[in-house]
Formats: sequence, C-alpha cells, structure tokens
Amino acid sequence: GAVVSQHPSWVICKSGTSVKIECRSLDFQATTMFWYRQFPKQSLMLMATSNEGSKATYEQGVEKDKFLINHASLTLSTLTVTSAHPEDSSFYICSAIQLAGPYEQYFGPGTRLTVT
Amino acid sequence: QQQVKQSPQSLIVQKGGISIINCAYENTAFDYFPWYQQFPGKGPALLIAIRPDVSEKKEGRFTISFNKSAKQFSLHIMDSQPGDSATYFCAASMGAGNQFYFGTGTSLTVIP
Repeated sequence: GAVVSQHPSWVICKSGTSVKIECRSLDFQATTMFWYRQFPKQSLMLMATSNEGSKATYEQGVEKDKFLINHASLTLSTLTVTSAHPEDSSFYICSAIQLAGPYEQYFGPGTRLTVT
Repeated sequence: QQQVKQSPQSLIVQKGGISIINCAYENTAFDYFPWYQQFPGKGPALLIAIRPDVSEKKEGRFTISFNKSAKQFSLHIMDSQPGDSATYFCAASMGAGNQFYFGTGTSLTVIP
C-alpha cells in the first residue's frame, strides 16, 4: 500500500512553454503533498507544501507564479512549470502524507524535466 | 541553515561489511527520524524510521541507533551487499503532517 505515482516520468519541452506534472496517491487519501526539486548528486529541496482545498505554501525563494501548484482532491496534486527555461531543468519529486495517518511521507518516482 | 547534518558524503564498503552513516540535529522539537534510500532516477523510498522514545530499531539488516542526549542518529547496514549501493538520506520532522528536513545525502558503494 501507500503508493504515489507521478506523470509523466520524463518530459522534454521547449523554452517558453509550460509543463504540468501530476502527483497521485493511488491507494490512500492525502491531505498534504509536498513538491521537491533535486539537482544531480544533491539533496531534496522542498519547493512547496500543498494542502487539499487551499493555496500552496511556497518555500522562500520559490517563485509561486512560475511553479503553480493545485491540490484539487485528496488524491491529486499538480505542479505546472510556466514559461519554462533551461535552468528549470531538474528532477521533480512529490510526496504525500496519509489523511489522519502516521508521520511517513510516501514519495513518487520523480519526473525528469529537460527544457531545451 | 542545515537543520540536519549528514556524514560522510560518500562511503565505500566491501561486500559483507558494515556501512555506517551518521546524522546530527539541533532542534529538540524533532520527533520523527526516517532514513530513505534512493537509486539514480528514482524517488526516495522509506527504509526505516525511529521515534525518540527508543534508542535502537532494527529491521532486517538495517538498524537505526538514536542518541537523544547527543542529538545524533545513525544508520547501520549489516552484511552490506552490492544491491545496497545507493544514496541514503536521513531526515527529521516535528509533528505529524509536517515537512521533513533532509540531510545532504550519502552515496554508498558496496564493492564485491
């Protein structure tokens, strides 16, 4: 149990276009989902905390107008990278916490974004 | 400011040996300490976690040792195998549903 999926697993887009990444909790309801960014050989950098039905909370330095997060249901959160540029190329990972569950965060498999 | 400090950055161990990764924290409000394993191109997977009311937790070949007074915790991998070669992250959080603070990661290589 406690499976989190992400779609797509990888995406290549041209500079200036927007890309949407989906994060789904497949067998549980998640009140809270987190979005991370990870550069090669580095740790996970928290971008934002997404709560169902409310606005996401962004970490300092993360542009909320560039990285749009929508948590429309208890099983789905989306991250849209708007007007993507090559510096946005990265590995994006989401995680989810079970509704009224324990502390564990369950991570998705990640999405590799390459902006050309 | 790094809330959780992790060492070493990289580790090479012979097959069958013991791999030890250490983490230290400052915030005494942390009450949950998980370890994650990540393979290249994959998301992190929970290995084992501990709460501060116990000093040790063992699951198979993986053991967490927790020293509350020293504000340190460590991961021990017994009988290390080449398949254990991955990056390991420690983390800490306070309260259910709150964000995790991750260490900087340790790249483990187990050589046959």
